[in-house]
Amino acid sequence: GDSVTQMEGPVTLSEEAFLTINCTYTATGYPSLFWYVQYPGEGLQLLLKATKADDKGSNKGFEATYRKETTSFHLEKGSVQVSDSAVYFCARAPNSGYALNFGKGTSLLVTP
Amino acid sequence: NAGVTQTPKFRVLKTGQSMTLLCAQDMNHEYMYWYRQDPGMGLRLIHYSVGEGTTAKGEVPDGYNVSRLKKQNFLLGLESAAPSQTSVYFCASSSTATIEQYFGPGTRLTVT
Repeated sequence: GDSVTQMEGPVTLSEEAFLTINCTYTATGYPSLFWYVQYPGEGLQLLLKATKADDKGSNKGFEATYRKETTSFHLEKGSVQVSDSAVYFCARAPNSGYALNFGKGTSLLVTP
Repeated sequence: NAGVTQTPKFRVLKTGQSMTLLCAQDMNHEYMYWYRQDPGMGLRLIHYSVGEGTTAKGEVPDGYNVSRLKKQNFLLGLESAAPSQTSVYFCASSSTATIEQYFGPGTRLTVT
């Protein structure tokens, strides 16, 4: 079935470090792909999305490129801030069914 | 625009008690979802609805019931709470199954 696999955390980085969080998806169809962010004590917020191959989603300095050849949608940021500390979820649209398929989430802690 | 709201924000129940969680959205979305979030488990879909008057089971429906009597509201019921239902519950909505979902702020439920 449709699924998403993302790297396990927690990830701990110093402020201004480069961030990559890996995400791969099952290759059935050409689903829309999403990254969500969950700040402590809050619900999930859409961070960025891409709807077709080679699309690049971007928001708040984060980027992710839809790579059909590697079935990946890795999240990157060039210089993280303490305020980026959160849990990040990768998700894909379903080929059948009625709900997005979420990865298990990756916790990011950025230290000063 | 309130988006997706959930009540209550926190609740403590004793084993065997019942309660209802309310989700409301003001975006005229057709689809609504209930998830639970547990450490290390990511988000798991409990029930969902594709329109007013319709509901369906998700990944972990046992012990829960839902109703969608009005398009803007989606209720999650626990008839006889168990400690295994201690979790954070999130409601979400979307206009279709394959685009982004919008999440509420969550309800933290503890069953003792």
